[in-house]
Amino acid sequence: SQQGEEDPQALSIQEGENATMNCSYKTSINNLQWYRQNSGRGLVHLILIRSNEREKHSGRLRVTLDTSKKSSSLLITASRAADTASYFCATDAGFGNEKLTFGTGTRLTIIP
Amino acid sequence: EPEVTQTPSHQVTQMGQEVILRCVPISNHLYFYWYRQILGQKVEFLVSFYNNEISEKSEIFDDQFSVERPDGSNFTLKIRSTKLEDSAMYFCASSGWEKLFFGSGTQLSVL
Repeated sequence: SQQGEEDPQALSIQEGENATMNCSYKTSINNLQWYRQNSGRGLVHLILIRSNEREKHSGRLRVTLDTSKKSSSLLITASRAADTASYFCATDAGFGNEKLTFGTGTRLTIIP
Repeated sequence: EPEVTQTPSHQVTQMGQEVILRCVPISNHLYFYWYRQILGQKVEFLVSFYNNEISEKSEIFDDQFSVERPDGSNFTLKIRSTKLEDSAMYFCASSGWEKLFFGSGTQLSVL
């Protein structure tokens, strides 16, 4: 598998439910970031978790990182129709401001 | 909230033509990037730029590509002789530290 692969590739849930997306990577990282992309638009930074952190929260977002398994998960609680978008994990192997390696993305659809 | 702006939003060109994609990064940022996304595929790193020089580039960024920061505000990506496979959405990004801010992209179509 390639550096940064999300699963599932697509996820459809009812509004109000929680959405969980997973990301796996292969090489050592400095940090892992999650971005959202609305159709045809640019990427919006959501949250960053460092390699020495295990869990982080921001509003309705919860990110976990397991460096032993080289995996991360993004949980969106109480989903809203506006959360419909593609979600990408991106890994930074350097010491900040190095290139980001993006995953393949999860297409999340929230059904009203 | 400050944002990265890219122009044009759409660019159609003939194969073999030169194109210049323009970006205005966030004013106090020091690190600048170009990424691209071919339709339905992942976002791919092209090049990073810091202190008026390229700090890293990918295999995609061959001799046909160049970047420039001609003044204090603009950051451009030039493709000298476009190929069909250069058709993609090109994203500019800038960073103060770690967190990248992306523009809305330029959709490049090479015919």
